[in-house]
Amino acid sequence: DGGITQSPKYLFRKEGQNVTLSCEQNLNHDAMYWYRQDPGQGLRLIYYSQIVNDFQKGDIAEGYSVSREKKESFPLTVTSAQKNPTAFYLCASSIYGSYTFGSGTRLTVV
Amino acid sequence: GENVEQHPSTLSVQEGDSAVIKCTYSDSASNYFPWYKQELGKGPQLIIDIRSNVGEKKDQRIAVTLNKTAKHFSLHITETQPEDSAVYFCAATKGELYKLSFGAGTTVTVRA
Repeated sequence: DGGITQSPKYLFRKEGQNVTLSCEQNLNHDAMYWYRQDPGQGLRLIYYSQIVNDFQKGDIAEGYSVSREKKESFPLTVTSAQKNPTAFYLCASSIYGSYTFGSGTRLTVV
Repeated sequence: GENVEQHPSTLSVQEGDSAVIKCTYSDSASNYFPWYKQELGKGPQLIIDIRSNVGEKKDQRIAVTLNKTAKHFSLHITETQPEDSAVYFCAATKGELYKLSFGAGTTVTVRA
């Protein structure tokens, strides 16, 4: 079955820590995205990547970093510079505009 | 960038009634308008989409209409069922790397 897998499902971070969220797809999609979802605000684009070894900032990239070393993988690091990281994070991949989303990672700062 | 507004934010309907969600967009160059359904604790799933060369599209109980002149598009769900309860998002893009701009979402509750 082709799909997109995010892990972990729940993640807890202490103040000042960096954490990395995993996103893997076996759909052979070139484009991958990270979105942040907060209540009442819809989905906001953090970073996106069209091809391996290339990625672009989205609307709210501050405090986040990504890498795209393999077509299948697009991990997101939430750094200590992100002041309000508690949110639901969604990874997606797309081909010709058709998006497939993962099941999300809920990050909580403790 | 593109700005997508979605209304209402919450919608409660009696089972069997219709539900309508409306979205407006700001960029007249936008040409692709998908709708996503998100169930609790899951990622959004595409339920229907429409491109700017079409005014209406229907898939069983779900339909989407597009008014390019007024820059708005709507989702219509007929004969609602309890499993239609979810958060629905509209989105728009002008094809720029297919970066989607999302509305804020509508929480639909179908009362049995």
